[in-house]
Amino acid sequence: EAGVVQSPRYKIIEKKQPVAFWCNPISGHNTLYWYLQNLGQGPELLIRYENEEAVDDSQLPKDRFSAERLKGVDSTLKIQPAELGDSAVYLCASSLQMNTEAFFGQGTRLTVV
Amino acid sequence: GESVGLHLPTLSVQEGDNSIINCAYSNSASDYFIWYKQESGKGPQFIIDIRSNMDKRQGQRVTVLLNKTVKHLSLQIAATQPGDSAVYFCAEKNGGSQGNLIFGKGTKLSVKP
Repeated sequence: EAGVVQSPRYKIIEKKQPVAFWCNPISGHNTLYWYLQNLGQGPELLIRYENEEAVDDSQLPKDRFSAERLKGVDSTLKIQPAELGDSAVYLCASSLQMNTEAFFGQGTRLTVV
Repeated sequence: GESVGLHLPTLSVQEGDNSIINCAYSNSASDYFIWYKQESGKGPQFIIDIRSNMDKRQGQRVTVLLNKTVKHLSLQIAATQPGDSAVYFCAEKNGGSQGNLIFGKGTKLSVKP
């Protein structure tokens, strides 16, 4: 069975441009997470979904970041407009339930120039 | 606030030796803990987990120990191999309405042949 799939793997954009990341979680996983990881740091939670509901988006910078999980399966994370400081790896993870292990995708490495 | 941290940012061991990676957490309400391994350019990979009603759990060549009294978690890797070289993160979850997976900063393990 395929794991968590993310695309694109790499993205380079100019500042002030929009960008979107896509995540397809493991089939049947109700919980979906988006994380941001800076170089040499641990992943930092941006948003958590339980099915299609965003149950915790307290760490999402809502002035420029948005996310959706239509039909409780795939999810997209968008940044508009991107800033230089947004350069990082964006990770998606999914788990069967809230208190079970989360499996991560390969991540999208974003570079804002 | 919640925090998960690691005592040692880097660890260098000889191939064949045992490795011990330590982690401190501050949220006494956390009831589920996970160790992840992250290789360069990849997403975190699940290694082993433990719930707060246990103090030890063993996997293949890995053992996780949980000391709730001092809020300490450790990962022991037996007979460390070059393929174990990576950054290791501990992560904690608290249950109930939160259930977010919070990561520490990570320990880089280098295995010398």
